[in-house]
Amino acid sequence: KAGVTQTPRYLIKTRGQQVTLSCSPISGHRSVSWYQQTPGQGLQFLFEYFSETQRNKGNFPGRFSGRQFSNSRSEMNVSTLELGDSALYLCASSLAGGGPDTQYFGPGTRLTVL
Amino acid sequence: ILNVEQSPQSLHVQEGDSTNFTCSFPSSNFYALHWYRWETAKSPEALFVMTLNGDEKKKGRISATLNTKEGYSYLYIKGSQPEDSATYLCALPNRDDKIIFGKGTRLHILP
Repeated sequence: KAGVTQTPRYLIKTRGQQVTLSCSPISGHRSVSWYQQTPGQGLQFLFEYFSETQRNKGNFPGRFSGRQFSNSRSEMNVSTLELGDSALYLCASSLAGGGPDTQYFGPGTRLTVL
Repeated sequence: ILNVEQSPQSLHVQEGDSTNFTCSFPSSNFYALHWYRWETAKSPEALFVMTLNGDEKKKGRISATLNTKEGYSYLYIKGSQPEDSATYLCALPNRDDKIIFGKGTRLHILP
């Protein structure tokens, strides 16, 4: 069974630009969550999508948005990039989401904002 | 806001020695705890999910225990090997089902 894939793996952007990251979950998984990882902050929850609906959202500004398609693939968009958005962005998929459901992580997209 | 604390932040252990570290959380409204291992340049990998007070889980040389009444979980590694070098994360869902991660314990195995 193929794992969670994320594209692109690396991205360099400049301040003010926008970026779209993509995540393909494990086949059969309907929940996709996104996380931001920065040094010293650990993994911060961005949002979770289930059946094309955002089910949960973390404490991030509105510049961070996402969506999920009918095949469960998900995209995350960051508009008007700031230097502080430089981070590793991980997505994770699970069967149905929720507390006890194990999440399977992708390799991440490393975003650098110059 | 759910606060998940992990200690120590970093740990150096001689190869062959056993070690353990802690994840602490508020004991109210608990319903699941996850342990993940995150090796450098790889994705976080699920180790255990624990839901019941007194749960003990084991996977090879790694085991975990859970005490929901006092709000902690221990992760034990027996006979550490170089491949155990990684960051170990614990995570819990808060009341809104958002998954909150601790900052991790970074384990270094010394040859």
